[in-house]
Amino acid sequence: DAKTTQPPSMDCAEGRAANLPCNHSTISGNEYVYWYRQIHSQGPQYIIHGLKNNETNEMASLIITEDRKSSTLILPHATLRDTAVYYCIVTSRGSNYKLTFGKGTLLTVNP
Amino acid sequence: KAGVTQTPRYLIKTRGQQVTLSCSPISGHRSVSWYQQTPGQGLQFLFEYFSETQRNKGNFPGRFSGRQFSNSRSEMNVSTLELGDSALYLCASSSGRGTGAYEQYFGPGTRLTVT
Repeated sequence: DAKTTQPPSMDCAEGRAANLPCNHSTISGNEYVYWYRQIHSQGPQYIIHGLKNNETNEMASLIITEDRKSSTLILPHATLRDTAVYYCIVTSRGSNYKLTFGKGTLLTVNP
Repeated sequence: KAGVTQTPRYLIKTRGQQVTLSCSPISGHRSVSWYQQTPGQGLQFLFEYFSETQRNKGNFPGRFSGRQFSNSRSEMNVSTLELGDSALYLCASSSGRGTGAYEQYFGPGTRLTVT
């Protein structure tokens, strides 16, 4: 699986959009980008995933660059409950049952 | 739909003992993965079961084992506990069909403390 690079921490004001970047420059053609988050002491929560097109669901939007070497997770209106560690994971089809978690980005949403 | 449940939520054991943790996946999910989370190593994949068979295995010693039952419920066992086994043990379920791109749904975890 391709490695990912994320900033260790970010801050965001409540009500503003949170844009979390992820670099995955060695991603290969059959690998997906997944985002999970973990609120303190809870199990990780699936957010969204994509292959090459931008994706949106009720939680977030995922923007993948055309060369697929980086992506951005967007939380459109961050709330205090969005404070968590966000993990960007790249994995191929058939390997998404054995996720490799990096250190992630600690997003702190401030009032 | 009920989420992934794990029992017990908290456990304290002594070095040398063994422990069994249980995971009930989301109804209809056939894949169950186990992870260990420690402050030093982060989240690490232990193994994955699908239809009662271990399909994938992480880099953990043989003291860590698991199994899956016909109703997809899974257990993991750690024998001869060491202090370093103190961790949050998480299980995750997925539909697991074929080689598609499927998300995993995690349980709340079992916090194991070895003294």
